[in-house]
Amino acid sequence: EAQVTQNPRYLITVTGKKLTVTCSQNMNHEYMSWYRQDPGLGLRQIYYSMNVEVTDKGDVPEGYKVSRKEKRNFPLILESPSPNQTSLYFCASSPLAGDGYEQYFGPGTRLTVT
Amino acid sequence: AQSVAQPEDQVNVAEGNPLTVKCTYSVSGNPYLFWYVQYPNRGLQFLLKYITGDNLVKGSYGFEAEFNKSQTSFHLKKPSALVSDSALYFCAVRDPTGFQKLVFGTGTRLLVSP
Repeated sequence: EAQVTQNPRYLITVTGKKLTVTCSQNMNHEYMSWYRQDPGLGLRQIYYSMNVEVTDKGDVPEGYKVSRKEKRNFPLILESPSPNQTSLYFCASSPLAGDGYEQYFGPGTRLTVT
Repeated sequence: AQSVAQPEDQVNVAEGNPLTVKCTYSVSGNPYLFWYVQYPNRGLQFLLKYITGDNLVKGSYGFEAEFNKSQTSFHLKKPSALVSDSALYFCAVRDPTGFQKLVFGTGTRLLVSP
């Protein structure tokens, strides 16, 4: 089954404790992206990657890091989480070639930073 | 800058009645428009997209959307609502300058009453 998986699905942590949210897709997509969803703000892009070793900032990259060492994986790293990073996070992927491909989304990771 | 507006935070409709969820957009160049649905504790699921061609686009679960270039709108519609259609709906436009980046609206919660 074609899918995007994220782990963990739920995470409660404390300020300053480094964490990683994993994302993996099995569709051989070149493009992967991280979004955060906050009430009243919709989804905002954090980082994206167009292929292995190619990453770039989205609209809200502060406080986050990413890496793309393998095509299928795109982890999101919070090196020193703060309460304002409490949010619902989604990973997404799509083909890069051509126009108009829809993005496939993972199930989401709900993060609470206390 | 590209933007999407969903003017209604919530839409209430009785089961069996037609439903409309509104979306207007602002984008330079040709718009690539998408609708996604989010059920509780689930990721975003793709419903339909407009890339080019017929202004009436049909998608999953009986949904359709009408692209209106002069009004810069892309309203989501369904002729007969089901209680199971109750969910959070997001309109999105592809940012032509950001490769596959999607710019999302703030979402509209649809409540279908029995």
